Parts: sequence; structure tokens; C-alpha cells
Amino acid sequence: KAGVTQTPRYLIKTRGQQVTLSCSPISGHRSVSWYQQTPGQGLQFLFEYFSETQRNKGNFPGRFSGRQFSNSRSEMNVSTLELGDSALYLCASSLVARGRGNSEAFFGQGTRLTVV
Amino acid sequence: KQEVTQIPAALSVPEGENLVLNCSFTDSAIYNLQWFRQDPGKGLTSLLLIQSSQREQTSGRLNASLDKSSGRSTLYIAASQPGDSATYLCAVGKTNFGNEKLTFGTGTRLTIIP
Repeated sequence: KAGVTQTPRYLIKTRGQQVTLSCSPISGHRSVSWYQQTPGQGLQFLFEYFSETQRNKGNFPGRFSGRQFSNSRSEMNVSTLELGDSALYLCASSLVARGRGNSEAFFGQGTRLTVV
Repeated sequence: KQEVTQIPAALSVPEGENLVLNCSFTDSAIYNLQWFRQDPGKGLTSLLLIQSSQREQTSGRLNASLDKSSGRSTLYIAASQPGDSATYLCAVGKTNFGNEKLTFGTGTRLTIIP
């Protein structure tokens, strides 16, 4: 069974540009969450999608956005990149059963974004 | 606001020793708690998931316990090996109308000395 796949693995962008990261969840998982990891702030929740709907959003500026497609694949977009956006961006997928909340989260290898 | 703390931040132990990693959280209204390991520059690997109704979970040499009322969890690693060297993260999950969101601790960097 394939795990969570994130592409690309590495990105170098210039300040002011925009970037799109992709995440393919484990087959059958309908919830996809995104996290930002930096040495100073640790792992911080960005947003979560379930059945193409954003259900929750962390405390990040509007430059950070995402979407989920009907096949559960998800993308996140960061516009007008800043140096501080350099981080490891991690995607997690979960199998969410009806009537239940959080279930086990499985993470991808991440996308390392460097903004210069 | 949920806050998750892991102490110590770093730990070095000789190979073969048993060890305990600690995790504490401020809001006991959690749905579950998950332990992960992270190797440098890599993603997170799920180790154990404990539902709020459970007291502990075991997988091989790993045992995780949960005391929700006191806001604490421990990860016990038996007979440590150099391959156990990694950063260990705990994360608490809190359901809010069924959403998925984890609040992470700052991690414990574990080094096993051969």
C-alpha cells in the first residue's frame, strides 16, 4: 500500500514568487492536513481538507491557501513568498470514519522549500 | 489553547538501556495522542496511537501510556539501539466537529551511543 506522496521534494524560489506543493494521500483516506515545520516554531498546523472542503485553518496569513480534489489529492499554494516561508512542508492523511474525530495520521516525506 | 511540552529536549543514552520520553499537554479534552519519530530532514513516522479511552499501547520495544486527567503521556523504549536515534514528537488530537488537527510538542532529540 503506497504511503503519502509529496512532490516536489525540494524547491528553491525567489522572494515574491508563488509556489504550489502537491500531496497524494493514502488510497481511501479522505482527510488531508498540511503542516509547516521550522527550527524556531516547530510543527504548526496550516489547514485540513475533507471531501474537498476546508474544515479547519491554522493561524497563517491569507498568502497560504489550499484545495482538495475529488480524488482526495491536495495542493497548497503560497503566494508572494517571503524569506520566512522557508520550511519543511508536511502533508498528512487520515482515514476518517463516520461519527469519529481524529484518527491516525500518516505523513509524507515533505517538501523542503527554500526562499532566497 | 492547547500547549504540548516535551522534556527533555535532548537525551543521550548508551546502547541497550531502557529509556522514557515525556509529553505533557495543558488541555485534557483530547481525542487521541500520537507518537512519531523524525529522522533528520525526513517526514514523520507514526509509532503509536492512543485513543483517549485507552491507557497504553505497545508495539515491539515501544510502549506508550496516557494519563488524560493529568495531561501526561510517556513513551518507553526498551533495549535501545543506535537505530533508535531520532527526534521523537508527541501530538495530541482534538476533534471539533470531526476535523483533523494535531498539536505537536517540541520534540526530544534522542541519541543512542554505541
